[in-house]
Amino acid sequence: DVKVTQSSRYLVKRTGEKVFLECVQDMDHENMFWYRQDPGLGLRLIYFSYDVKMKEKGDIPEGYSVSREKKERFSLILESASTNQTSMYLCASSLQGASTDTQYFGPGTRLTVL
Amino acid sequence: DAKTTQPNSMESNEEEPVHLPCNHSTISGTDYIHWYRQLPSQGPEYVIHGLTSNVNNRMASLAIAEDRKSSTLILHRATLRDAAVYYCILSAYSGAGSYQLTFGKGTKLSVIP
Repeated sequence: DVKVTQSSRYLVKRTGEKVFLECVQDMDHENMFWYRQDPGLGLRLIYFSYDVKMKEKGDIPEGYSVSREKKERFSLILESASTNQTSMYLCASSLQGASTDTQYFGPGTRLTVL
Repeated sequence: DAKTTQPNSMESNEEEPVHLPCNHSTISGTDYIHWYRQLPSQGPEYVIHGLTSNVNNRMASLAIAEDRKSSTLILHRATLRDAAVYYCILSAYSGAGSYQLTFGKGTKLSVIP
């Protein structure tokens, strides 16, 4: 079974802090994704990566950056956390990014910024 | 972006079939129709996908209209564990050698014991 793990289920940070959210997949997938999920807004894509060191902006990249130094690991970085970044963050991976590919999701990290 | 329209919520009695509708009138010829579901406090999970023909797997069936402007996810016998938000999604080419899934708000399915 594909496994996508996220470093924390719950995280509380203060405004202005630098925040790292880590995601690891164990199936040698090429593509990895970061989404945020807010009530009434569904899932929105922040960034995705289709190869090591490659990244593409999603629909809402402002205030975020990403890093993919190794194939299995994709990090989401909040350079200076703000209260409007309080949200559920979901990581996903897929084999190659083909139109038929399945995305496998991690359990999510609920981030609260005070 | 190709968009989908789903009802906000639906109810079903346990052990009865459930038909979850989805409209995608702007679908293009190469867009696949994907369904995912999200159980409470979990990330989304894949249910089924198809292009033109109806599809069956162990979780559900997908019925696709002949003009592909709508589809229906069929749960043959709803259980309490099927209570979730169901997302109907069209895969869209991102221009970076990859396809993306754009999630909408989905349909919240409640299953009544």
